[in-house]
Amino acid sequence: KAGVTQTPRYLIKTRGQQVTLSCSPISGHRSVSWYQQTPGQGLQFLFEYFSETQRNKGNFPGRFSGRQFSNSRSEMNVSTLELGDSALYLCASSFEGGRQETQYFGPGTRLLVL
Amino acid sequence: GQSLEQPSEVTAVEGAIVQINCTYQTSGFYGLSWYQQHDGGAPTFLSYNGLDGLEETGRFSSFLSRSDSYGYLLLQELQMKDSASYFCAVRDGDSNYQLIWGAGTKLIIKP
Repeated sequence: KAGVTQTPRYLIKTRGQQVTLSCSPISGHRSVSWYQQTPGQGLQFLFEYFSETQRNKGNFPGRFSGRQFSNSRSEMNVSTLELGDSALYLCASSFEGGRQETQYFGPGTRLLVL
Repeated sequence: GQSLEQPSEVTAVEGAIVQINCTYQTSGFYGLSWYQQHDGGAPTFLSYNGLDGLEETGRFSSFLSRSDSYGYLLLQELQMKDSASYFCAVRDGDSNYQLIWGAGTKLIIKP
């Protein structure tokens, strides 16, 4: 099976712009989670989608949003970018997001905001 | 609140054994997981403990004590390729099994 893919891999934006990141989960996986990772920080949970519904949401401002499509592909959007949004954005998929399920991560999108 | 504590950095010698500890404070605990992340790479799953005790997978072992809210990852016969960051993560049953992550432990291995 192909792994989790994320596009684009690298992105440079300026403050005030918006950005959309894409994630394609492993075939058959219906749960997709998004994380933000900055140097020296753990993974900060953004949100989780399951069957096109947002099941969980982390403590991020409303500028961060996401959605999931019927084929389980997911997008996340950040509007009005700030310098502090520069980070590695990771997407992870699992079959149903159940408590014993492993999360499989994509390579991430590295976003730089200037 | 929910929190996980793990050392920020651990240094060990090639061939040695190292233990990375993780203490957690969550409600509705459902299992402790460990992930490895190499610089520039994505986290990859190492192990999961749902019950107390030791789980062994090759050179890696993971331990959980639910009564102490504590777990550890044990790496034996360290190799240079084990240089990476190691994250513990806990599933919080009160948050729809959301994974709560520690800040990660950077393992530095010296020859």
